[in-house]
Amino acid sequence: DIQMTQSPSSVSASVGDRVTITCRASQGVRSWLAWYQQKPGRAPRLLIYAASSLQTGVPSRFSGSESGTQFTLTISSLQPEDFATYYCQQADTFPWTFGQGTKVEIK
Amino acid sequence: QVQLVESGGGVVQPGRSLRLSCAASGFSFSTYAMHWVRQAPGMGPLSVALISYDGRNKFYADSVKGRFTISRDNSQNTLSLQMDSLRPEDTAVYYCAREANSHTQSPRGSLEYWGQGTLVAVSS
Repeated sequence: DIQMTQSPSSVSASVGDRVTITCRASQGVRSWLAWYQQKPGRAPRLLIYAASSLQTGVPSRFSGSESGTQFTLTISSLQPEDFATYYCQQADTFPWTFGQGTKVEIK
Repeated sequence: QVQLVESGGGVVQPGRSLRLSCAASGFSFSTYAMHWVRQAPGMGPLSVALISYDGRNKFYADSVKGRFTISRDNSQNTLSLQMDSLRPEDTAVYYCAREANSHTQSPRGSLEYWGQGTLVAVSS
């Protein structure tokens, strides 16, 4: 299985901060990379697909980028509703695997 | 609107079986590939089984291959997961999830709609 490694595992930030989360794949996944947001007790919510395409209805403060096997999710100005856990997911090879998550906490 | 509703979870002893179901509504079920995704406590999710829109192609994670069987009934808009020989490490919340695009569209490699999840706990 392709391993997805996220960093950091947690980040403390304030409303208005810029937050960057990184995800690295153990092998090439081309651009088959998605990002999700998950709140406690809820299913994941799709934010970004194909590494950098914004899902319909997701605020433009979320963006994704890629460089080789490293992918980045950026929240340009953190809002109160953004405090959650974020996961990357590769879809190059089945099984689709997710990272271990990055928890964005209130500073 | 799109709805996915799982059922069938519960507490089961190791070695026993359980069958999960997912009732789909609000979209053309027969045109989308579907996944069963599980998430163990405190862990990231993992897609353990995938079935093509027409049910002809099925894929499994190695951890469940030979023990789990995914199926679908497009006439009833239902997705199922038969889980046999359950192990404690199968304990997780199980979600059914729909791929973002139908088989007639370019794939997006992402899961756009998820159910609320059903908890499976394997313990003696």
